[in-house]
Amino acid sequence: DAGVIQSPRHEVTEMGQEVTLRCKPISGHNSLFWYRQTMMRGLELLIYFNNNVPIDDSGMPEDRFSAKMPNASFSTLKIQPSEPRDSAVYFCASSVMDRNEQFFGPGTRLTVL
Amino acid sequence: GNSVTQMEGPVTLSEEAFLTINCTYTATGYPSLFWYVQYPGEGLQLLLKATKADDKGSNKGFEATYRKETTSFHLEKGSVQVSDSAVYFCALTSGANSKLTFGKGITLSVRP
Repeated sequence: DAGVIQSPRHEVTEMGQEVTLRCKPISGHNSLFWYRQTMMRGLELLIYFNNNVPIDDSGMPEDRFSAKMPNASFSTLKIQPSEPRDSAVYFCASSVMDRNEQFFGPGTRLTVL
Repeated sequence: GNSVTQMEGPVTLSEEAFLTINCTYTATGYPSLFWYVQYPGEGLQLLLKATKADDKGSNKGFEATYRKETTSFHLEKGSVQVSDSAVYFCALTSGANSKLTFGKGITLSVRP
């Protein structure tokens, strides 16, 4: 199994630009999670989906952030416009719903200048 | 609501030393408990888990016992190696979904 796939692995952009992060969950998994990790705030859950439907987006910091899951094998996290304080590592994770164990991708390191 | 509290870090040990990392939790219902490990530059990996009281999770020489009476899930290893240097996260889920609540994580450095 390929595991959770995230792209790009690294992204450097300028303030004000749109950023799109991508995630392909493990085949057969029906829950998908987006996390953000920073030194200051640690690991934060941004949003999660069950069966492609957003269940809890209370962790999304503000309207500049949006996430979609158009089908079971693909999700995006978009930041528009980006700001320097969005610099972080963004992780995607997937699981079989109600099975508890989440499998994490390698992360996307975002730097906003 | 659910919460996980981990001891403050970082922790630095010499190779072959004994390791204990404390974790306590607050949760509704009957949570499942986890330890995840993050090696440098990588995503989190499940290290071990326990799903009910008195269960012991173990993997790679690490152990943790689900203690309901003290709401704790402390991680232990008898003899750490340099390759164990990583960030360790305690976490829980409860209820009908897979949403994890994480502790802040603790960095372990093992010197030769």
